[in-house]
Amino acid sequence: EVQLVESGGGLVQPGGSLRLSCAASGFPFSSYVMHWVRQVPGKGLEWLSRISHDATITTYADSVKGRFTISRDNAKNTLYLQINSLRAEDTAIYYCGRDRDLIFFDYWGQGTLVAVSS
Amino acid sequence: QAVLTQPASLSASPGASASLTCTLRSGINVGTYGISWYQQKPGSPPQYLLRYKSDSDKQQGSGVPSRFSGSKDASANAGILVISGLQSEDEADYYCMIWHKSAVVFGGGTRLTVL
Repeated sequence: EVQLVESGGGLVQPGGSLRLSCAASGFPFSSYVMHWVRQVPGKGLEWLSRISHDATITTYADSVKGRFTISRDNAKNTLYLQINSLRAEDTAIYYCGRDRDLIFFDYWGQGTLVAVSS
Repeated sequence: QAVLTQPASLSASPGASASLTCTLRSGINVGTYGISWYQQKPGSPPQYLLRYKSDSDKQQGSGVPSRFSGSKDASANAGILVISGLQSEDEADYYCMIWHKSAVVFGGGTRLTVL
């Protein structure tokens, strides 16, 4: 069974940093492109970033370029998202998603909540 | 102007059909894109429903009932998710998505109410 489990969220002060993790199981993680997507509670989905199966290619939304860094450790079957210089508007649920052929996301994690507040 | 525009809300009756639209920004031709659709219920992550590019290039999500289908309206430059035989469990938020210039773009979502 494919499982994606995010962790690392929590309450952070503005200007702080956080590293989110997405533990994958039930499929050959190193063969798949992976993504991060976030959702402000009550609002829509916002794509953040993707990483190729071998981590050689990363792409970011313009809104997070320079502050967010996606990475992966295929030996640990884990996807990461480093978020720096956190702002109140980064408050959201952060989801990881598995890509299928750069066409759609076939599996999503349950999400981890990041709250930025002083 | 947003790349993908969806109506904020739609209401329909049980047993009826609902057509949810996803309009592409002027200058972006719907004919060249595959549009994928996701359903999200409160407190849960999105779930993949289907992808539609053409009648010969489409894919249904695993376990997704056939009453969920995709189409396009080229005159409106829009992708359409059609849900037939509406059930109360179809009440949810629905999002469309495309790949555009090497990035993923989501529509703003449509809240479907079944009443």
